[in-house]
Parts: sequence; structure tokens; C-alpha cells
Amino acid sequence: QVQLQQWGAGLLKPSETLSLTCAVYGDSFSGYYWMWIRQSPGKGLEWIGAINQSGTTNYNPSLKSRLTISIDTSKNQFSLKLTSVTAADTAVYYCARGPYYPHLDYWGQGTLVTVSS
Amino acid sequence: QSALTQPRSVSGSPGQSVTISCTGTSSDIGFYNFVSWYQQHPGKAPKVLIYDVSARPTGVPDRFSGSKSGNTASLTISGLQAEDEADYYCCSYAGTYTFVLFGGGTKLTVL
Repeated sequence: QVQLQQWGAGLLKPSETLSLTCAVYGDSFSGYYWMWIRQSPGKGLEWIGAINQSGTTNYNPSLKSRLTISIDTSKNQFSLKLTSVTAADTAVYYCARGPYYPHLDYWGQGTLVTVSS
Repeated sequence: QSALTQPRSVSGSPGQSVTISCTGTSSDIGFYNFVSWYQQHPGKAPKVLIYDVSARPTGVPDRFSGSKSGNTASLTISGLQAEDEADYYCCSYAGTYTFVLFGGGTKLTVL
């Protein structure tokens, strides 16, 4: 059974860097896109970006300038870094597996990240 | 590119059917047959109900069905049950610049 377990800092100050990691259990990285999605409080879902096993990334154009998604195949993990955060980046962040866009078949448990001074 | 458009809320009684619409453009829903639907209960991660417009993952009841016409995709839930009360999100592939668009979500209330 595939499981995604994510972790990272939950409270940031404006201008700091958001950093989250997602570990994949029960499957390899091969043949999938590994994605990040966020959900602002009381709001809908927003696709952040994705990476594949080869390290090829695709980013949401609105976040691209601040965003880095990376992968460590030796640890079956992938990570998200978002720089210069503001209150608008406060959200629950999810990692997910996608056989292809936009089919996301397994999700992490979600991490609430709050940006506040 | 703007999010896909969904009604904010729909409701129905147990046993009835409801349909949730998701309107995009000729650059996303209208162009690609890559539409997914997700169900999200409060405090939980989303769960895929439908992919590729109308395909159901193993384990999803056939009460859930998807379709598409032009720039609008639809999710129909038949034989409503209390546990269907949740938020529902559509999602479409949108090409190699935008990649993925979500709808704003629809809250389903089972009366």
C-alpha cells in the first residue's frame, strides 16, 4: 500500500523560506509525477508544482519565481522550498502522487503552514 | 489562468441524485480529456473519485460518474448517502504552461 508522509516547519515569519519534505513508502518513484498542492484556510485547492524521477520539474507560473521542488531517489523523498513567504502563503500543503496530470491517486496527510509576524 | 468554475453549494436528499458542474475553457476542459474529481471531508486529504473525465478508481462506488460536454465537466452522484456530504473539486490538465487547474470547490449537503 502506497503511503506518503510529509513534514516541515509549521510556523514561519514573513520573508522566510517554507521547506517541506514528503517520503514515499510502498512504491518507487519510477513512472509518476510527485506533486505539491496547497489549500488556503477555507479556500480551494491550488496546484503548486511537480517533479518526476529524472528531476524534471513543472511549476505553477504564479509561484515559479519563488519555488524549488527537488527529489532524492535514494531516500524515496521529494521536497518543496518556497522563498520569501507572506501571509498569502498560509495554507495546508499536501504532497501527492500523480500517474499523470491531473490524476492524483495518493495524498499525504497535509501540513499546516502559517506565516505570521 | 483562472480557476475552473463550480457552484459553491448543492444539496439533495438521501437516495436522490445531484450533479456538480465544472466550467473551464477551450484551453483546458474543452481541449483535453484529462479531468479529475476529488472528494474532501473536513480535515482530510482529498480523495480521487473520477479521472480521465469518467474513469473510476478501484473501490469508488459506481454511484459516482463523470462526463464532459464542451468546456464543462460534470460529476453526478446518484443514490445520495449521508457520507457523501463533503466538498468536491474538479481538476483539469491545462497544457504545458499552466499544467493543472482546480475548481473552487462545491459543498454538498445531504438534507
